[in-house]
Parts: sequence; C-alpha cells; structure tokens
Amino acid sequence: AQTVTQSQPEMSVQEAETVTLSCTYDTSESDYYLFWYKQPPSRQMILVIRQEAYKQQNATENRFSVNFQKAAKSFSLKISDSQLGDAAMYFCAYLQGGSEKLVFGKGTKLTVNP
Amino acid sequence: DARVTQTPRHKVTEMGQEVTMRCQPILGHNTVFWYRQTMMQGLELLAYFRNRAPLDDSGMPKDRFSAEMPDATLATLKIQPSEPRDSAVYFCASGLGEGGRKTQYFGPGTRLLVL
Repeated sequence: AQTVTQSQPEMSVQEAETVTLSCTYDTSESDYYLFWYKQPPSRQMILVIRQEAYKQQNATENRFSVNFQKAAKSFSLKISDSQLGDAAMYFCAYLQGGSEKLVFGKGTKLTVNP
Repeated sequence: DARVTQTPRHKVTEMGQEVTMRCQPILGHNTVFWYRQTMMQGLELLAYFRNRAPLDDSGMPKDRFSAEMPDATLATLKIQPSEPRDSAVYFCASGLGEGGRKTQYFGPGTRLLVL
C-alpha cells in the first residue's frame, strides 16, 4: 500500500522568510499525482498545489512551489515570503493514477512568527 | 465562487442518536467523497460516489454508517446509532473524476461530538 510520510510534525518560520516542508512517499507506480493541502484553524482543507508525476517541471503557485524528486520519491513544499496567514497544518497527499483514493500524510504544523 | 458546502458545521449529540450530515458538491462535479479526520487516524476515506452511484465504501463501518446521493446536488452521510468513537470532523469533497485532473475540493467539514 502507498504511504506518505511527513517527517516534521512542527515547523516555524519568521514572517517574510522562506520555509520548506518535507514529504516522502512510497509507491511502485509510475502514474500518480501529488498534492499539498493547507488546513488553517478553521479546519477547511484548501488545495495549495498539485503535481502530476509525468511532469518533470516543478509546479508553482505564486509564493508556493514544490521540489519534486521522482527518483527519490520526495515532494517538498517551499513557501516564500511567509505571511501570518500561512500558519496552518499542511498535508501532503498521494493519488495513484487509476484510483480516486487520496492517501494523506500526518501533517506538519507551520507557525509563522511576526 | 464555486465551493463545496456542508451542513451542519457543528453537531453535538448523545450516544445512540441518529446523525445526518449533508453535502452539496460543486455544480458539475460528478464525484463526491466522504472523509473522516481524527487525531489518531488522521484523514481517512470513508466512501465515494461517481454520478451518484457508490463506487467504494470499504472505509465505512457498515453496521452504523450509510452514505447516499439522493440527487446530483446532495450527498448524505448518516450514523445510526452514533457512538462516542464517531466524534471527528467529517469532510465532503467533490471533483471531476477522471476528467478533472484528479483534484478534490473539500468542504468546510462537520465537527461531530458524540457524548
């Protein structure tokens, strides 16, 4: 079964600085998708960014970018110019190509210090 | 601004009572998912539907949980009878399935507390 590991239960960053959240996954498949979701205290799950495994180019969305290392099965999220509103739980998720079942990591709690 | 809606947002009930949670997927989305989030288990998929038909409910306790889609704009998750261990946040998500780049959009969740 596929697994997703987020090795950092908690991270902190100073406002305006850059932080990188780690995620590794275990799969033998070649067709899959990876996602980062943000969950602020409101509990809403918000899609931050997605990456198709067949794409070599790293996905970016404004201040959010990923470092997708397919051979290493690593999918880290970089947040640039951190803002107070970025404080949240961040979940990495994996989806196999032929499946609809998202597999989530345990999450990383990000604190942004003013 | 298209989004998934869920009602109620919060529910406190006593053990043994029936609980019904409702979800309105994003208009045009043909796939609807129910997830449960707890501190111990994290986020778990309970069931999902495609074009209103159940495709997988293997994550759902069959004896007390049931999920339905009476129509394309409404999905329901029922627990009868409820137990304290059912206390969790229940999320509905919707997507376009195979044609939708595999992205699932989540609702705000229903926070359930069973006393």
